[in-house]
Order: sequence, then structure tokens, then C-alpha cells
Amino acid sequence: GAVVSQHPSRVICKSGTSVKIECRSLDFQATTMFWYRQFPKQSLMLMATSNEGSKATYEQGVEKDKFLINHASLTLSTLTVTSAHPEDSSFYICSARDTAGGRDTQYFGPGTRLTVL
Amino acid sequence: RKEVEQDPGPFNVPEGATVAFNCTYSNSASQSFFWYRQDCRKEPKLLMSVYSSGNEDGRFTAQLNRASQYISLLIRDSKLSDSATYLCVVTTGFSGGYNKLIFGAGTRLAVHP
Repeated sequence: GAVVSQHPSRVICKSGTSVKIECRSLDFQATTMFWYRQFPKQSLMLMATSNEGSKATYEQGVEKDKFLINHASLTLSTLTVTSAHPEDSSFYICSARDTAGGRDTQYFGPGTRLTVL
Repeated sequence: RKEVEQDPGPFNVPEGATVAFNCTYSNSASQSFFWYRQDCRKEPKLLMSVYSSGNEDGRFTAQLNRASQYISLLIRDSKLSDSATYLCVVTTGFSGGYNKLIFGAGTRLAVHP
């Protein structure tokens, strides 16, 4: 099946620093990728939809200036958490949409666990 | 009210047991329905889609009742490896032009010997 990778898998940073997370579709092209956040014992919450070559669409309550999304190619989207604070500590998961051959399936990356000290 | 509601569990069952999970969704315009499985500290993985006619995949059976806005998952002959959190997921609305996945908080299943 399709594979989506994320890097890094885990990051610990100091408060006030910025952290970049990469999401790659490894064997298919994804014009659309999604970024989710999951706090402990809670559901995945969609943060934003990333479209290749255009601006991301953010969900209500998600600050676009704090969570910068860049979808520069058909296989790569990045999420940058700017000026991270401890409340941003969470599990960030991306998914990539595969629409080849009439499919419409989202494949999830393995997630990035962010801890802000 | 949450868009997708699930009993959080945990469900603690012995191997071989049959266990059923329920899920309700609030948006009658929801279009597609899924069950995902999420292991601890891992990403969710698609278990099966859910259709109005009901569908079965080995030991797993999923049902959808659109009138009641209710989805179920039945697991027969539970295995230790079934221990995980089961996420009820619906697609509804548009996010940048595409249906977006709305996740329930999940129901945790623990199968013991």
C-alpha cells in the first residue's frame, strides 16, 4: 500500500523555538495533504488542508501564523510550529490523499511527537 | 455536542469474546463512514469502510444506520492482537474543497489471555 513518512518522529525543543515537521508521500503524488493534531486520550483534530502550489486552508481556531504550512511539491508538505510553547506539545500526524486510478484514500504518516519544554 | 461520539471504554475482554462498539454522529449530511484502528502512540490505520448494507471482513462486521445516525463494529473471536483503540470516522463538509475526516475520540479495547 501507499506509504507516507514523517520526519522527525520525535522532537523535544525549548519554549520559543520553531520546529519543522516534514510529510512525504513515498510512492504516489499527493496534491492534497492534511495535518492533524492529537492530544492524549483525545481524537485527531484536523488543523489544516495543504494544497500543492496554493495556500493551506486552516480549520477554525487554528492560527495560520503560528502553524505555517508549505506544500511545495506533489510529495512534500511541511508544518512549522513557530515560537512553540508547552501547550503545543502534542502528536502531529499528516495524511496524504491518493486519487490515482479513481481512488480517494488518505494514508497517514507515522506521526511526530512534539514536546516543548 | 461532539460531531462523532464513542464510548471511550476501556473494554476488557478475554480472548475469544465477541465485542461490539457503537458510534453516533451528529451531522445528517455525513457521507462516508469508516472504522480505523490506532495502536498506542502510532498513527491510525484504516480497518474498514462502513456501508448501509453492512459489511464483513473476516471477524469484523460493520453496520450503518443512517436514520439513527449510528455506526457499529462487531469483533468476533477476539485475539490479543486486537487490543487497540478503535476510531469511528465520518466524512462531512469540505476542507479546501475535499471531504474532511472527523474522528471520534476512540474506544479502547484490551483483550487478555
